[in-house]
Amino acid sequence: DIQMTQSPSSVSASLGDRVTITCRASQGISSWLAWYQQKPGKAPKLLIYAASSLQSGVPSRFSGSGSGTDFTLTISSLQPEDFATYYCQQANSFPLTFGGGTKVEIK
Amino acid sequence: QVTLKVSGPALVKPTQTLTLTCTFSGFSLSTGGVRVSWIRQPPGKALEWLARIDWDDDKFYSTSLKTRLTVSKDTSKNQVVLTMTNMDPVDTATYYCASSKRDGNWFDPWGQGTLVTVSS
Repeated sequence: DIQMTQSPSSVSASLGDRVTITCRASQGISSWLAWYQQKPGKAPKLLIYAASSLQSGVPSRFSGSGSGTDFTLTISSLQPEDFATYYCQQANSFPLTFGGGTKVEIK
Repeated sequence: QVTLKVSGPALVKPTQTLTLTCTFSGFSLSTGGVRVSWIRQPPGKALEWLARIDWDDDKFYSTSLKTRLTVSKDTSKNQVVLTMTNMDPVDTATYYCASSKRDGNWFDPWGQGTLVTVSS
């Protein structure tokens, strides 16, 4: 199975800050990576697919990059509604696997 | 508009079999490229993919849980069913279903999820 490792596990940031979350795959997955946002008590929401493609309706302050084993999710200017937990997921091969999550908290 | 909803018991006893139903609208599982997955999340923990069924009845399972899982579909009812045998307290989690398409193995949208507690 491909292991997905996210870092950091949590980050404290202020409104307007630039936030970067990284995700590393245990083997190469090309660009088969997705990012999700999850708020408490809610189902995850797809933000980014194919490593860097923005899902329809997602604000442009979210961006993704990377390929192979190393990936990044960036929030360019943190907004109040962005405080949530973020997960990466490899979509390269079965079984599909998620990272451990990164909680973005208010500083 | 695509929607998915999970239904099933909120409480099951250890060793029992869990049966969950994902009822969806806005798409058909007889359409080429359409897939429905099951994903779970223990309280306070990360997401775990469990299984997927495709429009052509292909099925895929979690490596660690494949001996306990069965996924099936009823295209006429727009439903996908997940059964998990020999439930244990560690299986306590919110169970989600989610759809994906031919363009990639990512999930969008997700159903609202249902919390299943395993306890005697």
